[in-house]
Amino acid sequence: DGGITQSPKYLFRKEGQNVTLSCEQNLNHDAMYWYRQDPGQGLRLIYYSQIVNDFQKGDIAEGYSVSREKKESFPLTVTSAQKNPTAFYLCASSPGQGRNEKLFFGSGTQLSVL
Amino acid sequence: GQQLNQSPQSMFIQEGEDVSMNCTSSSIFNTWLWYKQDPGEGPVLLIALYKAGELTSNGRLTAQFGITRKDSFLNISASIPSDVGIYFCAGQLWYGGSQGNLIFGKGTKLSVKP
Repeated sequence: DGGITQSPKYLFRKEGQNVTLSCEQNLNHDAMYWYRQDPGQGLRLIYYSQIVNDFQKGDIAEGYSVSREKKESFPLTVTSAQKNPTAFYLCASSPGQGRNEKLFFGSGTQLSVL
Repeated sequence: GQQLNQSPQSMFIQEGEDVSMNCTSSSIFNTWLWYKQDPGEGPVLLIALYKAGELTSNGRLTAQFGITRKDSFLNISASIPSDVGIYFCAGQLWYGGSQGNLIFGKGTKLSVKP
């Protein structure tokens, strides 16, 4: 079955540590996205990529980095510069321009600080 | 940036009741969407609306694209226990022929009446 896989489901970060969240899709979608969700808040866009080897900052990119070396993969690194990283992180994909209103989400990764 | 006001923030349902929620914006959108998120999972698209005044159903769910293009409504008829979760509205604008990123509301949390 096609879908988006995020791993791990739970992740803990120590002070000063970088951590990487994985996101893989086998839907053959061109576009991929990372969102951050805090309790009682909407989804805020961190980074997005419309095509391989290209990505753009979203509304809250500071303290995060991404790469898009393969169509299927869009990993997110939460760097030590992100001072409040505890949140639920959601990866999504969409078919691409002209059809990217229909997002397909993964099951999320809950990141907590030790 | 653009913001969506979604109301109510939370509500309790009793099985069999009808439920209504809405989303308003200070600016217009070309597309309105409604997503549902189950606990610990990613949101799933319920309904997409593309034209002002459009009324679209998906089973017991009915959504409308407001005439002013600044609001949208979602109704759930004869609610059942599996309707609990968080419902997000999202709006999208087209810029010069390209689709903009989705703007999400903060969600309406549906819970079962104790």
